[in-house]
Amino acid sequence: QMQLHESGPGLVKPSETLSLTCTVSGVSISTYYWSWIRQPPGKGLEWIGYIYYSGSTNYSPSLKSRVTISVDTSKNQLSLRLSSVTAADTAVYYCARVPDYVLYYMDVWGKGTTVTVSS
Amino acid sequence: SYELTQPPSVSVSPGETARITCSGDALPKQYAYWYQQKPGQAPVVVISKDSERPSGIPERFSGSSSGTTVTLTISGVQAEDEADYYCQSADSSGSYWVFGGGTKLTVL
Repeated sequence: QMQLHESGPGLVKPSETLSLTCTVSGVSISTYYWSWIRQPPGKGLEWIGYIYYSGSTNYSPSLKSRVTISVDTSKNQLSLRLSSVTAADTAVYYCARVPDYVLYYMDVWGKGTTVTVSS
Repeated sequence: SYELTQPPSVSVSPGETARITCSGDALPKQYAYWYQQKPGQAPVVVISKDSERPSGIPERFSGSSSGTTVTLTISGVQAEDEADYYCQSADSSGSYWVFGGGTKLTVL
């Protein structure tokens, strides 16, 4: 059974870089595309971007200048880096599987990890 | 930037039919997907490709599409259906993926 587990620091200081890891189990990360999504407290979902194991990526235009998504096939993990964070980046961050690139959606999600940006 | 528009809230009594709409200019070209999210939980897909119901999703959930609007219909609403519902799709090029603002379904 496929599972996704997000991990990383729960607290990040303003202007620093947020770094999260998503560990995928039960399936090879090389088989699918993978995406990151976030949800600020009490607000809606925001798509951050996606990646294929080859390194091909696509990012939300609103975050493109600050975000990097990467994969480590040896560890079956994907990572998210978001630079120059502010309080507006406080959110629950989810990783999710994209079952078919041409269908543009996420079918299996991790439970999410909460990141707070504060000094 | 591309946007999907949903009503902030919908309220229905148990057993009634709830309809949640989602509007976007690219919906005639791109499929829409619907997610259910309960407090403290990750979203779950309840409708894919406008109207397909994934395995394990109750038959009372259905989806439809007409022009620039897609609709999630929950027939015979149950108390357990109280949740936030999000539509999701992509812009006409498929490059920019977007969620609607979400609709809070309240079962009275």
